[in-house]
Amino acid sequence: QKEVEQDPGPLSVPEGAIVSLNCTYSNSAFQYFMWYRQYSRKGPELLMYTYSSGNKEDGRFTAQVDKSSKYISLFIRDSQPSDSATYLCAVHGSSNTGKLIFGQGTTLQVKP
Amino acid sequence: DTAVSQTPKYLVTQMGNDKSIKCEQNLGHDTMYWYKQDSKKFLKIMFSYNNKELIINETVPNRFSPKSPDKAHLNLHINSLELGDSAVYFCASSSSVGEQFFGPGTRLTVL
Repeated sequence: QKEVEQDPGPLSVPEGAIVSLNCTYSNSAFQYFMWYRQYSRKGPELLMYTYSSGNKEDGRFTAQVDKSSKYISLFIRDSQPSDSATYLCAVHGSSNTGKLIFGQGTTLQVKP
Repeated sequence: DTAVSQTPKYLVTQMGNDKSIKCEQNLGHDTMYWYKQDSKKFLKIMFSYNNKELIINETVPNRFSPKSPDKAHLNLHINSLELGDSAVYFCASSSSVGEQFFGPGTRLTVL
């Protein structure tokens, strides 16, 4: 079993739709949860960063962590064609080694 | 004013050759990383250096050797390249847990 599981998609939605992206993880020691966005042929860029359980909102993006079920989500409201990218969830434990464990990434296409 | 830069951007080479990829960051971060992203977009850490000291060394063949001449640079040397080494290699840096900044990637193709 992989430490972080993520459905690779692809996911195709019409412009303006609400998008829900999800990951599950296996180790309850993980405390830091991130979402990275990666455009085609570019490096990943940090989108959202949360610590422990709860919600975090930034504009059209909301990250949600449920540690009891080891489930993390990213919601995109009013999706735009410019949101078309691969979204990678990542988790991190409590050590300070900086080791991120990534999910496989979900490819999202938002059609105009 | 690029934050994390890598050279070269593309690298095409024959099996058995030795090649290097260079990375530089101008963010003042203490920690730098090398990741490998395979054809299925799976991103996996290979190495991490903190202030020029190796702190993460995942299960990577000995043919891969990182070197950090100073905390702003982290290079990756690969000996005896194999077909399976074809991938995109990303350098990243950070100053705190989780917030890693990635470079643009080096697309390596081994023929």
